[in-house]
Amino acid sequence: DIVMTQSPDSLTVSLGERATINCESSHNLFYSSNNNDYLAWFQQKPGQPPKLLIYWASTRGYGVPDRFSGSGSGTHFTLTISDLQAEDVAVYYCQQYYTGWTFGQGTKVEIK
Amino acid sequence: EVQLVESGGSLVQPGQSLVLSCAGSGFIFSDSALHWVRQASGKGLEWIGRVRIRPNNYATEYGASFAGRFIISRDDSRNMAYLQMNNVQPDDTAVYYCTRTLLHTFDYWGRGTLVTVSS
Repeated sequence: DIVMTQSPDSLTVSLGERATINCESSHNLFYSSNNNDYLAWFQQKPGQPPKLLIYWASTRGYGVPDRFSGSGSGTHFTLTISDLQAEDVAVYYCQQYYTGWTFGQGTKVEIK
Repeated sequence: EVQLVESGGSLVQPGQSLVLSCAGSGFIFSDSALHWVRQASGKGLEWIGRVRIRPNNYATEYGASFAGRFIISRDDSRNMAYLQMNNVQPDDTAVYYCTRTLLHTFDYWGRGTLVTVSS
């Protein structure tokens, strides 16, 4: 199975500042036949289901604010939340869908 | 509006079986693979498995922890997907989510249904 490891486990950021979450895969997620990395990011707020933020490593989901951005390729990926807002307090998960579907352990983002 | 609504969660005793349902609406149900994902309280997300669409013979695939004990199926005539859970154990206690894949990964999720396994 492909193992996804996120860092850090938790993050405290001031309003308006940048939050950066890293995700490492135990397997290369880049599929050369379509030039896509099979990596997604989800946001989960308390009591709610996960929400798709980013797919193909860097494509924002429908209605996702542009302060959320994804980058990286292969085995190393990053989710950046620029200009952190109070409503961004949540747990963030990376997920690979290259072979099956597995999630990282999650990163909790809080306001300083 | 795309909606997925889970139902069937309850308190069950260890060793029993339980069937969860997922009702889809607002999209062409038969075009989407359907997945189940679970989340124990305060824990992360765990993919259980999926059922593919008719052109793929409704093939199923499961995570290693679930093969042989959990069974996923679908009924496109009713826009429903199902998760049959056999021989449940206390560590199966979790919120169970239904989600779909169409073009990439899980773009819509239900709100989940709670399964509690306890004697």
